[in-house]
Amino acid sequence: ETGVTQTPRHLVMGMTNKKSLKCEQHLGHNAMYWYKQSAKKPLELMFVYSLEERVENNSVPSRFSPECPNSSHLFLHLHTLQPEDSALYLCASSQVRGQDQISPLHFGNGTRLTVT
Amino acid sequence: GNSVTQMEGPVTLSEEAFLTINCTYTATGYPSLFWYVQYPGEGLQLLLKATKADDKGSNKGFEATYRKETTSFHLEKGSVQVSDSAVYFCALGYGQNFVFGPGTRLSVLP
Repeated sequence: ETGVTQTPRHLVMGMTNKKSLKCEQHLGHNAMYWYKQSAKKPLELMFVYSLEERVENNSVPSRFSPECPNSSHLFLHLHTLQPEDSALYLCASSQVRGQDQISPLHFGNGTRLTVT
Repeated sequence: GNSVTQMEGPVTLSEEAFLTINCTYTATGYPSLFWYVQYPGEGLQLLLKATKADDKGSNKGFEATYRKETTSFHLEKGSVQVSDSAVYFCALGYGQNFVFGPGTRLSVLP
């Protein structure tokens, strides 16, 4: 199995729908992340779960809701999205050991979300 | 704050040409530095990394040296191939905190 698996690969949803993105990591890491990748914009960190604590980007709208039931699984719950939320959503994991001991991020292949 | 700047691109080269993608950073302390590559339809893959000043990361013919005095981490490859066409991201990291550059699109023509 690949290290970080995301499902679905593609998702089309209307603005009134509720859907969830799923991420699973098989690397034994203790931190998981959601990133948003939009065309012509830098990669945007949305949420981090690290050592059982959640850190979030305060600019992320409340229509995005993360859930991390354990260190291997991460969800992003979506509701009442807007067309500008259409993007590639990337999940990543890493092993956090402290500020001076960093391991790289390992990314999944992403979910391509289109909001109509 | 921490930031990463890289050349915007797109960069278009002929096969076997020499590649340089510039990356400079601003950071407090001593971050680790990374280059990631993203092929169409995929997520980002780690290409190489360096954890301290003067370290050289290398992989698949790509190299980058952590230059503290110039706060740079330029990516180089001596002879590019068509299969190297992708978007390349420079990044810095501390612990759980990562900052990415905007990415540079590389197209290699046969």
